[in-house]
Order: sequence, then C-alpha cells, then structure tokens
Amino acid sequence: AQKITQTQPGMFVQEKEAVTLDCTYDTSDPSYGLFWYKQPSSGEMIFLIYQGSYDQQNATEGRYSLNFQKARKSANLVISASQLGDSAMYFCAMREDTGRRALTFGSGTRLQVQP
Amino acid sequence: DGGITQSPKYLFRKEGQNVTLSCEQNLNHDAMYWYRQDPGQGLRLIYYSQIVNDFQKGDIAEGYSVSREKKESFPLTVTSAQKNPTAFYLCASSMGGAPNQPQHFGDGTRLSIL
Repeated sequence: AQKITQTQPGMFVQEKEAVTLDCTYDTSDPSYGLFWYKQPSSGEMIFLIYQGSYDQQNATEGRYSLNFQKARKSANLVISASQLGDSAMYFCAMREDTGRRALTFGSGTRLQVQP
Repeated sequence: DGGITQSPKYLFRKEGQNVTLSCEQNLNHDAMYWYRQDPGQGLRLIYYSQIVNDFQKGDIAEGYSVSREKKESFPLTVTSAQKNPTAFYLCASSMGGAPNQPQHFGDGTRLSIL
C-alpha cells in the first residue's frame, strides 16, 4: 500500500504568489514525523520543514509552512511569495517511530515558477 | 564544513562488473542510508544502518550489498546481480534516535551501464 501520496505530478505558479503542494499519508503508528525536501535539477536533497505527529501547531520555516491535518492524514506544503529559485522537485516523506525509522518518500511534485 | 561526501559523481558499469559507491560523513551521525532514484520518481530505500557493524535491508536490496565498519563510512556495492542498475544513488545520514531529526543527503552518484 502506498504510504505517501503526492497527487500533483506538476504545478505552475506565478512569481510572488503562494502555492500549495499536496501530500497524504497512511500509517497506523501513532508516533511519526513528516518531512518535506526540495530537489533542484542538480540532484541534491534539501531539507525544508518537519512536522511531528504530536505537534499541536503547524510547522513554519521562513516562506515554508506545513498545513497539517491529522484526521485527514494530510501534510500539505505551502510556499509563500514564490521565487524563481523555488522551481524544483518537492518530495514529501514520512518516518514512523516504530520499525526501521527510515524515510518513505512520495513520488514528488515538480514545481515551476513563472516570471 | 560538516557534511556527506559521495564519490564518484558519475560512474559507469560494464556487464558482469561489481562497482562500489562511496559515502563518507563527518556529522557524527549514527544512522546512514542508501536510496535509489529513477527518473521522475521518488527515492526508494536500498539499505540502512543504525549503528556500526549492523545494517538492514530496505525495500529494494536485491543485487546490492553494504558494509558499516566505521561510523563515518557506508559504502554501497552494486553487484552484477542487479540487472537494472542505471539510476541516481543518494546516501543520507541522521542522528538516529530522535524522530524529528531530518536526514542529510550527499550530492549523489549517477550510475550508468556501458
């Protein structure tokens, strides 16, 4: 069963506008963490933001925020004031606190920011 | 600077040949991981190690082998049994125990078949 689902293969956004990248997840573990990574065309994976399953507030890091809806099992990434440099692949990932504790990744969303 | 170094950046494999991808970290992280990424897809876990001298198979371990003799190093060998090795390989490390610790990644190795 797919544990992380990203339903948007590609997204376009105008420069300076906000964009939401969707992520839903599936787990029976009560304790888990959700991560978002950015992958530019050069290939490196850049950590953006983290949300723990017990966190009461949505995580924020600069222009990035995470819209965490636990009951719906969704963890959408919101990028505010998009910049041209935001064009990249974005991956949602989950780590369950029991078992292997490695990340499980979604298939990614390619974001293109247009001037 | 602290980080993860993967080498080489590009690697070519001949039929029937084993090749080894290097991954070294100076972050003093306990856990290390190897992922494979195919074009347009997400990352899939090959092997991981939570501590020196111990490692476990991930989701796609067939045709690969690893060792963890030192905390800093986690080399991946792509054996001749891996019939479709062409992919982008990423090594990562993390503090391990704490669930909120992100994985830090190297810059990757692109492996191709000659």
